[in-house]
Amino acid sequence: EIVLTQSPGTLSLSPGERATLSCRASQSVSSSYLAWYQQKPGQAPRLLIYGASSRATGIPDRFSGSGSGTDFTLTISRLEPEDFAVYYCQQYGSSTGFTFGPGTKVDIK
Amino acid sequence: QVQLVQSGAEVKKPGASVKVSCKASGYTFTSYGISWVRQAPGQGLEWMGWISAYNGNTNYAQKLQGRVTMTTDTSTSTAYMELRSLRSDDTAVYYCARVPRSIVVADYWGQGTLVTVSS
Repeated sequence: EIVLTQSPGTLSLSPGERATLSCRASQSVSSSYLAWYQQKPGQAPRLLIYGASSRATGIPDRFSGSGSGTDFTLTISRLEPEDFAVYYCQQYGSSTGFTFGPGTKVDIK
Repeated sequence: QVQLVQSGAEVKKPGASVKVSCKASGYTFTSYGISWVRQAPGQGLEWMGWISAYNGNTNYAQKLQGRVTMTTDTSTSTAYMELRSLRSDDTAVYYCARVPRSIVVADYWGQGTLVTVSS
């Protein structure tokens, strides 16, 4: 079973700063099946990135994803006030289904 | 526009069952799957399973095998998730989400249904 680890647990930044979030897998993951979600308090998660680097419909280009194998990164180039939220990475395996990471909280410094 | 509308909050006693519905609109229901994901209070996301709305095939999380059943009604474009033998640690918000076959992610989500298990 693949385990996803996200770091840091909490990232304290100011609006306008760059955010770099890490997702590490316990074994190699197909880039085709690596996704990132954003969740704000009281709301359902929202798909940001799929296939490790493709933005979902309507997602601003300040969000970008990269990586391969066991190391993946979500970058927010310039934080907007609405970007302060929890971010989850997720991978898909045919036998195990979806596995989510524990999340990284991006909060206002 | 794609919408997934879930049924309302439930309060159940330990040992009971709950059935949550998820009505889809704005797309061809049978061309996608539906995943169910839950989130305990203050915790992360836990995948529960997936059902194909095309043929009813299912894949359940191992820890829930035997307690969960996912079904669909294509005549009403509605997916259902039933969880039996409820325990206090099943207290969570339960989400349904659409899953395209091509990219296998949860691209649209329902609003969530709070299920509280308490004696």
